[in-house]
Amino acid sequence: EVQLVESGGGLVQPGRSLRLSCAASGFTFDDYAMHWVRQAPGKGLEWVSGISWNSGSIGYADSVKGRFTISRDNAKNSLYLQMNSLRAEDTALYYCAKGPHYYGSGEPFDYWGQGTLVTVSS
Amino acid sequence: SYVLTQPPSVSVAPGQTARITCGGNNIGSKSVHWYQQKPGQAPVLVVYDDSDRPSGIPERFSGSNSGNTATLTISRVEAGDEADYYCQVWDSSSDRYVFGTGTKVTVL
Repeated sequence: EVQLVESGGGLVQPGRSLRLSCAASGFTFDDYAMHWVRQAPGKGLEWVSGISWNSGSIGYADSVKGRFTISRDNAKNSLYLQMNSLRAEDTALYYCAKGPHYYGSGEPFDYWGQGTLVTVSS
Repeated sequence: SYVLTQPPSVSVAPGQTARITCGGNNIGSKSVHWYQQKPGQAPVLVVYDDSDRPSGIPERFSGSNSGNTATLTISRVEAGDEADYYCQVWDSSSDRYVFGTGTKVTVL
C-alpha cells in the first residue's frame, strides 16, 4: 500500500524558515517524480514544486521560486521542502504527491498524503 | 502563464448527470486529469489522460477533452459524489503543473 506521510508543519513567524518532510513507502521511491501541492484555507489546489526521480529536473511555481527548495533522499525514501523567507500568503496545508516516472511527462499525481499545515503569522 | 477556469459550483439532483467544465487555451492538445476532494480529505484522482479511470473509480465518472474545454461527467449522481473537483494539466510552455480553479458539486 502506497503511503505518503508529511511532517514538519507548524506556526512560524514571517521571514523565518521551515523544512517539510514526506516519508514514502509502499512503492519504489526512486522510480518516481515527487511533488508538493498546497491548499490555502478555503482555497483551491496550487502546485508548489516537483522533482524528478534522480533530482535531475526540478520546477517551482513562480510564487515560491527563489524562496523554496525541493530535494529528495532516495536512500531514505524521503522528500523535502525547505521554505525560507516565509510570508503570510504561504499559509496552507502542504501535500506531498507521487508523480509519474518522468517529471514533466504530463501524467497525473496518483497518490497524495494527508498534508501538513503551515501557518505563517506573527 | 496557463490558466484553467472552472465554474465555482454545480448543483445536481440525485440520479441526474453533473457536468464540470475546465476551460483553457487549446486544452484539447493537453492531457487533462481530474481530482475529487471531499471535506477534510486529500485529493483523489478520478479521471486521467482526459477519459481514463484509475482502478476503483466507478464507471459513472467519465471525461472528454476537445478544443478549449475539458469536461468531467458524473452520471447517476449520488450523495457521496458531493465534493470539490479540480482539473489539472502539465503546461510544457512554462514547465509548470497547473490546477483549475475548482468546482464545488452539491447534490440537492
